[in-house]
Amino acid sequence: DTAVSQTPKYLVTQMGNDKSIKCEQNLGHDTMYWYKQDSKKFLKIMFSYNNKELIINETVPNRFSPKSPDKAHLNLHINSLELGDSAVYFCASSQKAPSGTSGDTQYFGPGTRLTVL
Amino acid sequence: KQEVTQIPAALSVPEGENLVLNCSFTDSAIYNLQWFRQDPGKGLTSLLLIQSSQREQTSGRLNASLDKSSGRSTLYIAASQPGDSATYLCAGISSGSARQLTFGSGTQLTVLP
Repeated sequence: DTAVSQTPKYLVTQMGNDKSIKCEQNLGHDTMYWYKQDSKKFLKIMFSYNNKELIINETVPNRFSPKSPDKAHLNLHINSLELGDSAVYFCASSQKAPSGTSGDTQYFGPGTRLTVL
Repeated sequence: KQEVTQIPAALSVPEGENLVLNCSFTDSAIYNLQWFRQDPGKGLTSLLLIQSSQREQTSGRLNASLDKSSGRSTLYIAASQPGDSATYLCAGISSGSARQLTFGSGTQLTVLP
């Protein structure tokens, strides 16, 4: 009964390849996110979707393309992988709620460790 | 743009001590602030969320406070245990519909038995 799940957990690939990471949440949340954690452990938002609509798109190379087939899924596709893309990618979700409630708590998946050789 | 800072980067204490982790943020129009725990090789576990209208939240041995005027939040851990060893991250959530989290770089806590 995992709340936020990601696949794969580990991904090792060659430079120049195209790869995808999948994320699913079974919490009934409206909003999903992708974060990147670099080698210095610093977490930074990449994208956010609310009800399948893109609402945050930080300065991320356009080689990264999120896709949300439904509000329970947010997949991340990466084209032409580069060495600098090596990081841990975290998916998260939250319930979009009126202000003053606890619905903003974000729940994180276990992460996908991407290594580009 | 919100910036979040955590000091110290690492902290080592003997078991049983009470301790305080610090977090500071630049934008006082913060919507709310969330504290997380991250164990090595694992994802993030939400510990506490403080709404902007609140001053503190408590869960078990954890107490988090929020002072918007000074741009600070603290996480107090009472009677620390070796199992508390982890990296603790604070993150500020900006106002607006995006619910965007801006993270600090974390404090790596080691509780020695």
